[in-house]
Amino acid sequence: GAGVSQSPRYKVAKRGQDVALRCDPISGHVSLFWYQQALGQGPEFLTYFQNEAQLDKSGLPSDRFFAERPEGSVSTLKIQRTQQEDSAVYLCASSPRTQPLNYGYTFGSGTRLTVV
Amino acid sequence: RKEVEQDPGPFNVPEGATVAFNCTYSNSASQSFFWYRQDCRKEPKLLMSVYSSGNEDGRFTAQLNRASQYISLLIRDSKLSDSATYLCVVRGGAQKLVFGQGTRLTINP
Repeated sequence: GAGVSQSPRYKVAKRGQDVALRCDPISGHVSLFWYQQALGQGPEFLTYFQNEAQLDKSGLPSDRFFAERPEGSVSTLKIQRTQQEDSAVYLCASSPRTQPLNYGYTFGSGTRLTVV
Repeated sequence: RKEVEQDPGPFNVPEGATVAFNCTYSNSASQSFFWYRQDCRKEPKLLMSVYSSGNEDGRFTAQLNRASQYISLLIRDSKLSDSATYLCVVRGGAQKLVFGQGTRLTINP
């Protein structure tokens, strides 16, 4: 596709429910990132994939958060037993195999998760 | 202490004014620097990269001071459409981008 596509755009979950958020990166992009943006804050890094390999998951806030990219393209961020503090916008970004250091990633429109 | 710090504002300035934002970063190994713009309920979009020599893009000028570890953005002749949140972003040797909290700017007619 022309850009990074995320679905759903909005998700309301009851506390304790599991959710799955999808990211379709730009075609051919090797690197994929997930970020979490709470209201009034800047995006916070969650995890990074290069192809299907998850190279950095240091930002995942708890073991309830899990991300995968099994075929090196589409990625899914799963949150188990959602809590109210998980309410945020979840952003996905992708980048090509090689990029200069001054390459800024392109983000998708995000999924706004509200846990009630 | 956050790795990238910005004054959250809000900044309210009249149309046509010049406005400047600064941010500081703590990781001296950071290699790349950016300003992103984020409109309300939208995703962040790259405004400009920031180079050590300073760079300009139309009404926007970005500066980097590696010794003091701060980055600035200057907007001249501000327009109503410049109203947004401006995010200061750094990247170290790793791939990930580290964002500041963002500075909210409102341009008033």
